[in-house]
Amino acid sequence: QSVLTQPPSASGTPGQRVTVSCSGISSNIGSNTVNWYQQLPGTAPKLLIHTNNERPSGVPDRFSGSRSGTSASLAISGLQSEDEADYYCAAWDDSLKGWVFGGGTKLTVL
Amino acid sequence: QVQLQDSGPGLVKPSETLSLTCTVSGGSVTSGSYFWSWIRQPPGKGLEWIGYASYSGSTNYNPSLKSRVTISVDTSKNQFSLKLNSVTAADTAVYYCVRIKSGYDYLGGYYYYYMDVWGKGTTVTVPS
Repeated sequence: QSVLTQPPSASGTPGQRVTVSCSGISSNIGSNTVNWYQQLPGTAPKLLIHTNNERPSGVPDRFSGSRSGTSASLAISGLQSEDEADYYCAAWDDSLKGWVFGGGTKLTVL
Repeated sequence: QVQLQDSGPGLVKPSETLSLTCTVSGGSVTSGSYFWSWIRQPPGKGLEWIGYASYSGSTNYNPSLKSRVTISVDTSKNQFSLKLNSVTAADTAVYYCVRIKSGYDYLGGYYYYYMDVWGKGTTVTVPS
């Protein structure tokens, strides 16, 4: 049981816009910034979005993040086949005094 | 560009100690604003934070693993390491070494932290 809650799966067709939600509580998302990671099959996770909505250099602007209250979301526009991956949200938790992750969302491009 | 290379035995016997090392290249473990961390991922499951250490010696561990974990930084070798003792089959996972960047946003008035560089991962199996 992960501390942050994500839907286990999501899907879309090429060119579509897809969103992935991440729900937490006041001690994690409600108090700290949220980061998103993309894990392609068989590879290590890669930083996709940091500090709620910042894209590292090299990440396409099709990816965007937002945070409101105790929830966050990742949006992918212009969906492409290479976006098929697992997506994880993460945040620091002040009560647990550690990093917490969502359970991951498997994105399928139909 | 900083790269992390994790290494260590792929098979550890139950009750023994799992030991992994991460070598940092293209940068220094003594660089400010960074912490050095380990994350693990059991087969078919999600990510679990194990802990982190700074080059100055401060550490922070996942409460669920705290009694069994030690993370340390070796500045002379530009490496950091993980030791997890009394392992069981539940510790079977891919272990990633990770750099955590920290900073303060003066405009927004908040601290931020994120895991920006990941090693490729080492699969560790503990037979049941």
